[in-house]
Amino acid sequence: GAVVSQHPSRVICKSGTSVKIECRSLDFQATTMFWYRQFPKKSLMLMATSNEGSKATYEQGVEKDKFLINHASLTLSTLTVTSAHPEDSSFYICSAKPPGQYTEAFFGQGTRLTVV
Amino acid sequence: KQEVTQIPAALSVPEGENLVLNCSFTDSAIYNLQWFRQDPGKGLTSLLLIQSSQREQTSGRLNASLDKSSGRSTLYIAASQPGDSATYLCALPQTSGSRLTFGEGTQLTVNP
Repeated sequence: GAVVSQHPSRVICKSGTSVKIECRSLDFQATTMFWYRQFPKKSLMLMATSNEGSKATYEQGVEKDKFLINHASLTLSTLTVTSAHPEDSSFYICSAKPPGQYTEAFFGQGTRLTVV
Repeated sequence: KQEVTQIPAALSVPEGENLVLNCSFTDSAIYNLQWFRQDPGKGLTSLLLIQSSQREQTSGRLNASLDKSSGRSTLYIAASQPGDSATYLCALPQTSGSRLTFGEGTQLTVNP
């Protein structure tokens, strides 16, 4: 199947710093990618939809100035957590879908962010 | 708004047993339904994708069925193995190409 690569898999940062997470579709072009957040023992919560060449669409309650999304190419979307705080510690997962109405979604390996 | 429910939330079975995981959804106007597996601390692995026009899909020991009229899908795992232990999630797109709505998942433990 198609491959979505997410990097880094783990990151520890100090409060107040920013962290960038990359999501790449390795063998297909993705005009749309999705960023999810997952709390312990919970399902995935959509944060935003990343659109290539335009602004991301954020879900209600997600601070767009805190979670900056850039989708500069058809194979790369980045999520930057700005001025991170301990409550931002979580598991972040990206998803991409090959073009076509009936294609399946593929997910990255996830990034475990710990803010100390 | 589509709502997805998975029952049971957790399941523990002895090795070798056949088992069924359930997924129900409230809006039957779906494009497809996807089953995923998630190991602790890892991303999601796509297991099976069923299109709305299909009734079932099979991959190895896995068989997923879809009944749109009743808003249900099941994931059947035959001859379960300890390596099958993981959380299983079902998800549906809201519209074509859109984001997925997930169930809460079923945490499966297969005991040797």
